[in-house]
Amino acid sequence: GAGVSQSPRYKVAKRGQDVALRCDPISGHVSLFWYQQALGQGPEFLTYFQNEAQLDKSGLPSDRFFAERPEGSVSTLKIQRTQQEDSAVYLCASSSNYRDQPQHFGDGTRLSIL
Amino acid sequence: SQQGEEDPQALSIQEGENATMNCSYKTSINNLQWYRQNSGRGLVHLILIRSNEREKHSGRLRVTLDTSKKSSSLLITASRAADTASYFCATGETSGSRLTFGEGTQLTVNP
Repeated sequence: GAGVSQSPRYKVAKRGQDVALRCDPISGHVSLFWYQQALGQGPEFLTYFQNEAQLDKSGLPSDRFFAERPEGSVSTLKIQRTQQEDSAVYLCASSSNYRDQPQHFGDGTRLSIL
Repeated sequence: SQQGEEDPQALSIQEGENATMNCSYKTSINNLQWYRQNSGRGLVHLILIRSNEREKHSGRLRVTLDTSKKSSSLLITASRAADTASYFCATGETSGSRLTFGEGTQLTVNP
């Protein structure tokens, strides 16, 4: 079956530009997560949705980061006025339940800010 | 912020040998999960162990959990070159559903 799909796989932007990263979760998965992974590090939590409700956004590093999931399926992570420190891999994951379930990850979007 | 610490940071072994990776964490947890990541790819779930479990097996994988020491170990038996990857432990906290990852162990299995 189809897994979690993220697009684009690679994104290069100039400092100050806005970017939008898309995540298509596994069909029927209620929970959706965004993580940021710096080179050589483990992923760090950004935000979590249950259906269309954003239940936890405590990991978003600044108010330049915004995520939405308006219909409870596809999600978009938007970064405004990008800065070099935003360069990282952004991973999306979905799961079928609130807790005690594995998360299924996409291959990520590698964002490079010049 | 990273909750877990994994050791070793890097491990190089020969095919057929066993590989053991350790993970320590700081807060109370609901479950602990192990994931694997090949270079340039997303994370693949390997195994989940709940806080009331002490040991779990899946194929060549064996995971232990010691909540009194706040530590876990992942054993891969009879390793293969295809096991070469980064391995991460992640904790699911009692207070929510986010996962908190360690910094990972880079495993290299030489043919």
